[in-house]
Amino acid sequence: DTAVSQTPKYLVTQMGNDKSIKCEQNLGHDTMYWYKQDSKKFLKIMFSYNNKELIINETVPNRFSPKSPDKAHLNLHINSLELGDSAVYFCASSQGAPYYEQYFGPGTRLTVT
Amino acid sequence: RKEVEQDPGPFNVPEGATVAFNCTYSNSASQSFFWYRQDCRKEPKLLMSVYSSGNEDGRFTAQLNRASQYISLLIRDSKLSDSATYLCVVRNSNSGYALNFGKGTSLLVTP
Repeated sequence: DTAVSQTPKYLVTQMGNDKSIKCEQNLGHDTMYWYKQDSKKFLKIMFSYNNKELIINETVPNRFSPKSPDKAHLNLHINSLELGDSAVYFCASSQGAPYYEQYFGPGTRLTVT
Repeated sequence: RKEVEQDPGPFNVPEGATVAFNCTYSNSASQSFFWYRQDCRKEPKLLMSVYSSGNEDGRFTAQLNRASQYISLLIRDSKLSDSATYLCVVRNSNSGYALNFGKGTSLLVTP
């Protein structure tokens, strides 16, 4: 069974469109994250939810809106997509405590044309 | 200045070689330290946590020097399957549970 899954795996869309990426974890973790890995391979935190509450919201354009309907899901909605949004988006989860491993999903490769 | 700095490499080494990666971090409030491994077009996976006393896992040895804010990873007897990007990762007390990643060091082990 996949621990952290993301859909879709690939997303190609045009500038100005709105798109969503879904993430689900079946590990029973209470904390979930969205990371962005840009073309230079730099991986950076965007958001973190703990027990469905937003606990980290880095400097991210407000076109990006995370939503956590329950502890097992964290979705990312992006409005008015721009060329610079092209990247790989990784969802991750952990059991909150800082020393515990974060498990990453396979990533969603977003290309904005 | 980036919070976590690594030599990007690439490091090209023959099978059986010993290779060392270094990493420095800028935030003295950093609390937890890790090495993650990322294969090409895959997600990062935890390789090992790094403890103050240093720790070893098979062919891999990690060291932490809090005074110098320096982390290292030593790989002995390199295997072809060790080829990957190695990410130095730090968690700070003021970043919740989020991880701060270095840009990674690329390793290629050749026959």
